[in-house]
Parts: sequence; C-alpha cells; structure tokens
Amino acid sequence: AQTIHQWPVAEIKAVGSPLSLGCTIKGKSSPNLYWYWQATGGTLQQLFYSITVGQVESVVQLNLSASRPKDDQFILSTEKLLLSHSGFYLCAWSLDWGNYAEQFFGPGTRLTVL
Amino acid sequence: GDSVTQTEGLVTLTKGLPVMLNCTYQTTYSPFLFWYVQHLNEAPKLLLKSSTDNKRTEHQGFYATLHKSSSSFHLQKSSVQLSDSALYFCALSDGNNRIFFGDGTQLVVKP
Repeated sequence: AQTIHQWPVAEIKAVGSPLSLGCTIKGKSSPNLYWYWQATGGTLQQLFYSITVGQVESVVQLNLSASRPKDDQFILSTEKLLLSHSGFYLCAWSLDWGNYAEQFFGPGTRLTVL
Repeated sequence: GDSVTQTEGLVTLTKGLPVMLNCTYQTTYSPFLFWYVQHLNEAPKLLLKSSTDNKRTEHQGFYATLHKSSSSFHLQKSSVQLSDSALYFCALSDGNNRIFFGDGTQLVVKP
C-alpha cells in the first residue's frame, strides 16, 4: 500500500526566515507529485507539480520553490518567509499523467509565520 | 483560463434532508471533474470523479452528473447525515497535471 508522509507536522517561523517542508511517498514508483497551499478554511491552490526526478513545474508564483531530489521525495522551500505564507501545505501524488488524475493527499503541514 | 465556481460558501441542513452543492466550470479542454471532501483538520479525499457527459457517478450515497452542455457537475445526496458535515471542493483537471479547485462549500448538518 502507498503511504505519504509530510514533515514537519507544524511549524512556527519568523518573517524573513528560511523554510523547508518535505514529502515522501512510499510504495509507488515514479508518482506524479504536487504541492498545494490552503489558507484556513480556504480553497486549495496548486503550487507545483513534478512528473519525474529533477523536473518541477511551477503553477503560481508565491516566492516559493520546489525540488524533487529523489523519485519518492518532494521538497518545498523558500529563503525568506512572508506573513502571507501562513497556511496549510499539502503534498499529493497521483498515479496517472494528466487526465483523470485522482490526487491522494498527505496529512499536511500547518505553517504559522509571525 | 480554466476555473471552477462553487456558488455556496455555506450550506446548513437538518439531518435527513436532501442536498445539492453547485459546481460550474470553464475550460477549453475536455473536462475532468472531481469532488473532494475535507473533514476538519484532515486532508482532502476524493469523493467522485467523471469525464463522461450525462453519466451519473455515485459513491458513499453522493452522486453527480457531468453536463457539458451547461458546464456543471453538481453534487447531490438524497439524505444527509451528521457525518457528512465537511468542506466540499469541486475540482477541474486540465489534462496536463494542473488542477483547479473551487472555493469550497462548507456543509453543516444539524440534528
């Protein structure tokens, strides 16, 4: 069975500090991987997606970057946090390329920027 | 560009009543529509999906029919339960790994 793990579970950071969030998928080789951001009670905004190691596509510009250093790992980071970065960050994976790609979401990381 | 519209931000119902949550979309591609449900402090989970015009799809008592003529994919249930209280998202895939979510509808079911 596939499992998705995100770390950390929660983070409180200061404005201007760096950030690194991680996501690992086990039990599925070469998954499509995604990062989403969700404001409290708000919609899900797709940030990045990756279909293979070393290849990441940006969907929106939020002063964040993403990398896929391994087949089963997806990293979200920034060198300088903004207050607007607060929210819930969800990693997701899907089996198929593009069409009909059901998203399987991880448990998420709650980020508070002060 | 591609987008999804959910007109109701909050729907409050009494247990046992029917519900319909609206979803319309805009896309230049052949549409792939999804409904996700998110319970409090949990990750979203897929409820339904469809890409077939005029075909009803069902899961866990919920159902929806994609109507390409009206660009709609409304979610329905004939009798809501307390456990159905959650945030419901309609989502659209553009077929190129980009997924667009609506703003979400909070469903509150009262005893």
